[in-house]
Amino acid sequence: EPEVTQTPSHQVTQMGQEVILRCVPISNHLYFYWYRQILGQKVEFLVSFYNNEISEKSEIFDDQFSVERPDGSNFTLKIRSTKLEDSAMYFCASRWSGSSETQYFGPGTRLLVL
Amino acid sequence: SQQGEEDPQALSIQEGENATMNCSYKTSINNLQWYRQNSGRGLVHLILIRSNEREKHSGRLRVTLDTSKKSSSLLITASRAADTASYFCATDPAGGTSYGKLTFGQGTILTVHP
Repeated sequence: EPEVTQTPSHQVTQMGQEVILRCVPISNHLYFYWYRQILGQKVEFLVSFYNNEISEKSEIFDDQFSVERPDGSNFTLKIRSTKLEDSAMYFCASRWSGSSETQYFGPGTRLLVL
Repeated sequence: SQQGEEDPQALSIQEGENATMNCSYKTSINNLQWYRQNSGRGLVHLILIRSNEREKHSGRLRVTLDTSKKSSSLLITASRAADTASYFCATDPAGGTSYGKLTFGQGTILTVHP
């Protein structure tokens, strides 16, 4: 069964460093998402991406964040200058379109900012 | 309460018993989705129920939706120790500007004792 994959599974970085989290959505899906979950808290929406542009973003998704679909398969989330409070599990999700609204999530990248 | 709030926050039962989790939300929705998360792991999609549906079944899972009360319930029948996990409801809001942004609740931690 097709699945969303994410790399790396864990990342440790120093405050102020740039990180890039990578995702490979399910191949025929058209909508892509990033969410994050701070330890012990609820999953929060960050951004949605459709037709090669951001379709919606949350207040969390400030100028430090960016997303890109550099080729036909990868979808990346970049944090330019990490802060301690960026430590969280980051989930990528994808959805086909039309009548199928199910979002399929990847296994997540656990980011720790020191 | 906030969009997508589950209760109870924690539920502890014996194997073989049924587990019922509830979710309430505030705004109009296109659909409501239930996810499962094992400790520190990814989100696994369980079931989606659309706003024009009242009940859906999938294996040992039964989901109901009452749009007049803005609430949903997830019933797991004949629970197993392997069902131990956190369960989240997520709402996909109605409205033309939504690109499928999901709003998650805090989740219910289910523990099934063998």
